[in-house]
Amino acid sequence: GESVGLHLPTLSVQEGDNSIINCAYSNSASDYFIWYKQESGKGPQFIIDIRSNMDKRQGQRVTVLLNKTVKHLSLQIAATQPGDSAVYFCAENQAGTALIFGKGTTLSVSS
Amino acid sequence: GAVVSQHPSWVICKSGTSVKIECRSLDFQATTMFWYRQFPKQSLMLMATSNEGSKATYEQGVEKDKFLINHASLTLSTLTVTSAHPEDSSFYICSASGATGDFNEQFFGPGTRLTVL
Repeated sequence: GESVGLHLPTLSVQEGDNSIINCAYSNSASDYFIWYKQESGKGPQFIIDIRSNMDKRQGQRVTVLLNKTVKHLSLQIAATQPGDSAVYFCAENQAGTALIFGKGTTLSVSS
Repeated sequence: GAVVSQHPSWVICKSGTSVKIECRSLDFQATTMFWYRQFPKQSLMLMATSNEGSKATYEQGVEKDKFLINHASLTLSTLTVTSAHPEDSSFYICSASGATGDFNEQFFGPGTRLTVL
């Protein structure tokens, strides 16, 4: 992921809308990518992952897209709910190395 | 499965004292554990990587003599913040791998909030 910044970007959506959160990663050698959700005062919670040999993976209400050409990762959340409000981080690594986290995006869902 | 716990969940200490934070893998043997630090409204920053029975590998800029890491068993790693100062106040999070055959997969603890007065 990108180096740590001081301010987290914010995405504000209405309940029921689809949300798209983006992440640019830095290491072209990374072969594993994960999206985490973090609520205030808690550790990161796994959402979905994708390996470098794929460009799309779907879960329940979530889809991750990987574009290796431009080193871009996105998380799509369908029918966003108030309970989805949190900070979302992308993370990357190669097997045998630690996860490196991106800057994070604050998702705010209003009902 | 694959649960990681941390203790304590929060701690307040006086400047100059040392604080120990424990990270435990409850239902698996963690070949590798990682320690992260997170300041308010920032991302998680990797501090160090530790393998059981070996010395930890610290990231650039992290003082190994200040942040002592011990990984004495396959289920326990400890982080000791020595001579803590207010600037060490942060959210410390550990993760562990080894629950599955995939080293990519890491499981995170709930974090420890350290406040140094």
